[in-house]
Parts: sequence; structure tokens; C-alpha cells
Amino acid sequence: GAGVSQSPRYKVAKRGQDVALRCDPISGHVSLFWYQQALGQGPEFLTYFQNEAQLDKSGLPSDRFFAERPEGSVSTLKIQRTQQEDSAVYLCASSLARRLASKTGELFFGEGSRLTVL
Amino acid sequence: QKEVEQDPGPLSVPEGAIVSLNCTYSNSAFQYFMWYRQYSRKGPELLMYTYSSGNKEDGRFTAQVDKSSKYISLFIRDSQPSDSATYLCAYDGGYQKVTFGTGTKLQVIP
Repeated sequence: GAGVSQSPRYKVAKRGQDVALRCDPISGHVSLFWYQQALGQGPEFLTYFQNEAQLDKSGLPSDRFFAERPEGSVSTLKIQRTQQEDSAVYLCASSLARRLASKTGELFFGEGSRLTVL
Repeated sequence: QKEVEQDPGPLSVPEGAIVSLNCTYSNSAFQYFMWYRQYSRKGPELLMYTYSSGNKEDGRFTAQVDKSSKYISLFIRDSQPSDSATYLCAYDGGYQKVTFGTGTKLQVIP
């Protein structure tokens, strides 16, 4: 398809397990973002890539969270030793250009990966 | 205090009503503002973006920014049941990340 694809759509993990969430952005999109959305809240920024370079990881809540985009396309968000507070929807977004508030900089979101930690 | 404050609602209106959704923000340096719409179990999608102060209209939707009062508004005319969603205001601080409000859940009743 032409949109941002995320997998798995749903993931249930036991506390302490490691999880990996995948994002396949729109082909040719330079910028890639990960957001975390808790129930009833707006998305919270986690990290940003421009091509393969991770330019901002200030939103990652702890060192258990790690993201990579080794070839400047697909990205993986990894959460180690999951905790109950990690339960949320993880949204990936991509954009064509650097300037976000413009037509070419529009963020395109995937449908998210819903993580439930028991 | 969050940088963008938004009443979470829910807001329930009859079909055909004019809807007003509002946000306040704290940093006067913000210049680029956006409204996103998020349907249940979907990712947000961009509705409108505006720069600095003033109005921007797109069909039934009007976005308004008042920098003097740090107020952002979205108006929906002739609301439809298909407008039922969560509306997120957001800003781009120029540092490659969009900051969102908590979202207002809107229900338009037929």
C-alpha cells in the first residue's frame, strides 16, 4: 500500500519481556518519527530520524527504549524489559521534507501498534 | 503545565451544528499550528495548518490563531456524523517534532 505500515497492530507482552515494533514509512520519505499515545491522551514525541540518522531521541522515556533505522527506510522501536506503564499505542509517522508545517512536510501516520503489558 | 492545553470533552452536538474547538498554548515563540483529526483506532491525519495569526478556511473547516491571547481554534460548519472523531491541536516549534494537545473527542449525533 501507499501509506505508513506498522506491525504488529496488537501486541500483548508479559512484564519483563522485550518487544520490537516495526514501521515501514512511505517510500522516499526522509523523516520518520515515533510517538507514544496513552489512552485518552495526545501523541507524545519519542524520537526522530532523518534518513538513517537519529537526530532527536529526547522523548524516549528510559534507556529501555531504543530505536533504529539502519538503512534510512524501515524503522524498529525496541522496548526491553517491558513494564505496565509502557502500555500504549505506538505511532510511527513519516514526512517528505524537513519543514513540518507545510504541504510537503505533512506528517503521515500509521495506524499504530497497540502494546498491552500484563 | 503542558505547552498546549485542550479541553478533552467529550463534546456532543446535533448534526448541522457549528462546532468550536479550542486550545491554548504557553510559548509565544510558536508560529506553526496544526489541527489533526484522529478516528478511533486510527492514526492522526492532518486537517489544516496555519502560520502565525489569522484565519484559514478549507471547506467546512476554519482554523484561527490569535497570538495575542495564545489561542487556537477550529470551527466546523454544518457538522456531519462523519466528523465524529478526536481533534488534536498541535504546533511545530521548528525543531522537527510536532507537539500535540490531549485532544477533544467530538460526537455528532444524527
